[in-house]
Amino acid sequence: GQNIDQPTEMTATEGAIVQINCTYQTSGFNGLFWYQQHAGEAPTFLSYNVLDGLEEKGRFSSFLSRSKGYSYLLLKELQMKDSASYLCAVRDLSGGYNKLIFGAGTRLAVHP
Amino acid sequence: GAVVSQHPSWVICKSGTSVKIECRSLDFQATTMFWYRQFPKQSLMLMATSNEGSKATYEQGVEKDKFLINHASLTLSTLTVTSAHPEDSSFYICSASPTGVGSNQPQHFGDGTRLSIL
Repeated sequence: GQNIDQPTEMTATEGAIVQINCTYQTSGFNGLFWYQQHAGEAPTFLSYNVLDGLEEKGRFSSFLSRSKGYSYLLLKELQMKDSASYLCAVRDLSGGYNKLIFGAGTRLAVHP
Repeated sequence: GAVVSQHPSWVICKSGTSVKIECRSLDFQATTMFWYRQFPKQSLMLMATSNEGSKATYEQGVEKDKFLINHASLTLSTLTVTSAHPEDSSFYICSASPTGVGSNQPQHFGDGTRLSIL
């Protein structure tokens, strides 16, 4: 089966850096995605990792270690608009086709 | 960029009604589309994978006779919630990624349908 764990809630200060961790267990790993979701809206794509290492996109970076089943999303220069849920999702091939399995999400609150 | 349109965005109806939700890929073809359900303050739960021209693949615990999926073309999948009851009230979201591209393409999500059954 699959299991994805991430913290339920985090708080941070505007302008600071925050790291959201994600650990996963899956038999058919085929990539890890991070999505941002504001309340009542659909998720929006942030980043993708399939090989070990760091991927950087502006204020957002994502890291993957396949041997450890571990990823993190790093948000720099936090802004108030970054208050949202951040979803870690693993692409799983074990059923014979690609499907995305989501973690429970981390609700990030950015305060002044 | 890739756009997925979902309609309607909000539905309120009486218990026992069947509700159809459409998911369209506007600028790309999608052999496969995905349907998710999300309860308040919870994450997205994959309900089923919609396959163009063939039967959908349902996740464990999802009733296929309750949630009918039709994927009649490469740009349209529909989810019908049959005889909806209050416990079916939820946020339903579809997603798709372009056919024939590498696996590093993200799934693009529709804006979701908020279903409220009275």
